Amino acid sequence: AQSVTQLGSHVSVSEGALVLLRCNYSSSVPPYLFWYVQYPNQGLQLLLKYTTGATLVKGINGFEAEFKKSETSFHLTKPSAHMSDAAEYFCAVSDWGGADGLTFGKGTHLIIQP
Amino acid sequence: DSGVTQTPKHLITATGQRVTLRCSPRSGDLSVYWYQQSLDQGLQFLIQYYNGEERAKGNILERFSAQQFPDLHSELNLSSLELGDSALYFCASGTTTEFGNTIYFGEGSWLTVV
Repeated sequence: AQSVTQLGSHVSVSEGALVLLRCNYSSSVPPYLFWYVQYPNQGLQLLLKYTTGATLVKGINGFEAEFKKSETSFHLTKPSAHMSDAAEYFCAVSDWGGADGLTFGKGTHLIIQP
Repeated sequence: DSGVTQTPKHLITATGQRVTLRCSPRSGDLSVYWYQQSLDQGLQFLIQYYNGEERAKGNILERFSAQQFPDLHSELNLSSLELGDSALYFCASGTTTEFGNTIYFGEGSWLTVV
């Protein structure tokens, strides 16, 4: 069975500071990994995904994530936080076929301090 | 805009009633997924359909059912509603390619049971 753990239900950073949202996964098969963002009262938007190949994945809005198999991690980073980044972020894992859809972490609420 | 369309966006109904949520997947996507998002349970996978057939089942209650029609749109039926069924219900669609399976979410249907 797959699972995702997101460390920190709330993360607060200052505008312009580095954003680091942590995600660790458990999977019995090579995982496909995703980060989604949910802005208030909106649906889930795909930020980036890792399937195979390059372990550093670049996504939208300046975010990137690195797949580290040895650490079973897929942390999300952004060099400089912007006020508009305030949202809920979800890490998710699926197997190749996605037969069971996505397994999500509990989410991390990103707060940006002015 | 993810290309996944959900209706209605908001729904208020009484306990014991039955509602139907509708989803039109992205053009070309054969898979439809239903998720429930609530404060206490987070994002829970309910069920997946692939090209009209049930593919996988998650934490879906017996009072809930779904189907996918020949035109690939899907409906989620919720019956004998309870207060605890109040949640945001997401539909998502995706197609598996050689690059894996990417799932795109609709805006969600807010269900309030009173």
